[in-house]
Amino acid sequence: GAGVSQSPSNKVTEKGKDVELRCDPISGHTALYWYRQSLGQGLEFLIYFQGNSAPDKSGLPSDRFSAERTGGSVSTLTIQRTQQEDSAVYLCASSLEAEGTQYFGPGTRLTVL
Amino acid sequence: QKEVEQNSGPLSVPEGAIASLNCTYSDRGSQSFFWYRQYSGKSPELIMFIYSNGDKEDGRFTAQLNKASQYVSLLIRDSQPSDSATYLCAVNSADSSYKLIFGSGTRLLVRP
Repeated sequence: GAGVSQSPSNKVTEKGKDVELRCDPISGHTALYWYRQSLGQGLEFLIYFQGNSAPDKSGLPSDRFSAERTGGSVSTLTIQRTQQEDSAVYLCASSLEAEGTQYFGPGTRLTVL
Repeated sequence: QKEVEQNSGPLSVPEGAIASLNCTYSDRGSQSFFWYRQYSGKSPELIMFIYSNGDKEDGRFTAQLNKASQYVSLLIRDSQPSDSATYLCAVNSADSSYKLIFGSGTRLLVRP
């Protein structure tokens, strides 16, 4: 079946602009996660959704970052007033249930000029 | 600060050899352990998961877990050039079990 999909695959923006990143999880997966991977680094947890609720937003680096999930499916990660340090690959993952194995999407490479 | 440590490498092995990748973790309450493979410019791909002490084998891959030593490893037998990638160790957080804590990865190079 279809895996996790993300769009856009690449996004170049100017400092100070807002961006929206989209994630479509595997059908039927109730849990959804956002991670960030900076160049040469491991993955950094950002936020976790169970259904449409986000019980853990602890990894969001600042209040410029927000995320929502609607219909228990698609999620959008929004970064307001982007900064150069926001440049990274943003990865979305989903799992069948909260503690299940996480499967990753292809990621969105964000470059802030 | 909960941590997962891996040697960044590169670990270079000849084709056909056994590659041994190691990982230590700090959260003693962690229960789930994962190995992901990441090719350059691609997203992580699940290779193995292990929950119990001991060995778990899947084809050419064997995951080994020792909770007492807080150590998990991945062995790749008969290494192939196509195995050349970065291998990420991930461990679930004991107090937030859905959250994975990743190491920074070990780069493996398999020489033809």
